[in-house]
Amino acid sequence: DAKTTQPPSMDCAEGRAANLPCNHSTISGNEYVYWYRQIHSQGPQYIIHGLKNNETNEMASLIITEDRKSSTLILPHATLRDTAVYYCIVRVAFGTGTASKLTFGTGTRLQVTL
Amino acid sequence: GAGVSQSPRYKVAKRGQDVALRCDPISGHVSLFWYQQALGQGPEFLTYFQNEAQLDKSGLPSDRFFAERPEGSVSTLKIQRTQQEDSAVYLCASSPSGSLYEQYFGPGTRLTVT
Repeated sequence: DAKTTQPPSMDCAEGRAANLPCNHSTISGNEYVYWYRQIHSQGPQYIIHGLKNNETNEMASLIITEDRKSSTLILPHATLRDTAVYYCIVRVAFGTGTASKLTFGTGTRLQVTL
Repeated sequence: GAGVSQSPRYKVAKRGQDVALRCDPISGHVSLFWYQQALGQGPEFLTYFQNEAQLDKSGLPSDRFFAERPEGSVSTLKIQRTQQEDSAVYLCASSPSGSLYEQYFGPGTRLTVT
């Protein structure tokens, strides 16, 4: 699986958009970009994933560059409850028969402040 | 519905003791993963089951670590002759069959070896 690079930490004011970048310059054509977050003392939580098109769900938006070498997770209106470590993960898709492990890095620690 | 549950949530073991950590996945989930998370680090893959078959155990750090899922539902991670370096949070995750599905994580078991 391709490696990812994320800044170790970021701050964001409550109510503002949080933009978390991720570099994955060695990504392959069959690899998806996934984002998970881990709130203190909890297990990781899935946020969103995408292949090459931008994606949006109720939690966040994912913007993937055209060359797929980087992406940005956007939390449109950050709240104090969004304070967590955010992991960008590149994951091979094998199809419907076999699941694939997640390879976490050290992530970005997002601190949302008043 | 119920999420992934793990027990115990906390375990203190003296060096040399054997421990068993339990994971109850979401009902019907075919895939089950174990991860180890050291303090300040991201989770690291240990092993993966599809139903009762252990398809990947490449992440198990030594032969003291053993995992099973005999009936394709509940899984147990056993660590024999615990060492201080085994101190970590052990996370279990489950997902439906297929590599694109998100993994649902339990809260983890914090193991402290003294």
